[in-house]
Amino acid sequence: KAGVTQTPRYLIKTRGQQVTLSCSPISGHRSVSWYQQTPGQGLQFLFEYFSETQRNKGNFPGRFSGRQFSNSRSEMNVSTLELGDSALYLCASSGGTSGPPWETQYFGPGTRLLVL
Amino acid sequence: AQKITQTQPGMFVQEKEAVTLDCTYDTSDPSYGLFWYKQPSSGEMIFLIYQGSYDQQNATEGRYSLNFQKARKSANLVISASQLGDSAMYFCAMKGGSEKLVFGKGTKLTVNP
Repeated sequence: KAGVTQTPRYLIKTRGQQVTLSCSPISGHRSVSWYQQTPGQGLQFLFEYFSETQRNKGNFPGRFSGRQFSNSRSEMNVSTLELGDSALYLCASSGGTSGPPWETQYFGPGTRLLVL
Repeated sequence: AQKITQTQPGMFVQEKEAVTLDCTYDTSDPSYGLFWYKQPSSGEMIFLIYQGSYDQQNATEGRYSLNFQKARKSANLVISASQLGDSAMYFCAMKGGSEKLVFGKGTKLTVNP
């Protein structure tokens, strides 16, 4: 089975712009979660989508949004970029069943976003 | 709220030796899962091992084992026979009733030849 794929892998934007990141989950997985990783804050949960609906949400401002399509692919959008949005954005997929037992999430390679 | 603490920012080990990476957690959930991931410099998070809070046996996956001590709320990762390719960041994470995966700050492991 192919793993989780993310595009693009690298991105450079300027403050005020917006950006869209894409994530294709493992075939058959219906849940996609997004995480932001920075040196200062570590790994932080952004949101989770399951069956085209946002099922869970972290503590990020409304500039961060996402969606999921009927084929389970997901996109994440960040509007009005700020310097602090520079980070590695990781998406992870899983089957989507609620625990216990708690499902393993499988991660993609990430998108490195640099905001200048 | 759930919290993961990894107190070792960096660890060094000689090739072929065993190493233990510490992880303690805090949660009020009666049921939870604990995970370890490896993140090489390339950035991808690689799943290593899972332990459910009600599992009677400690989890093992090849050279990885999880030393789970529920009363002490610890879930340490043991890597046996370290290899140069084991050099990476290692993250402990947990998931409980909130269904959110919460990560620790990580431990950077360096394997010396």
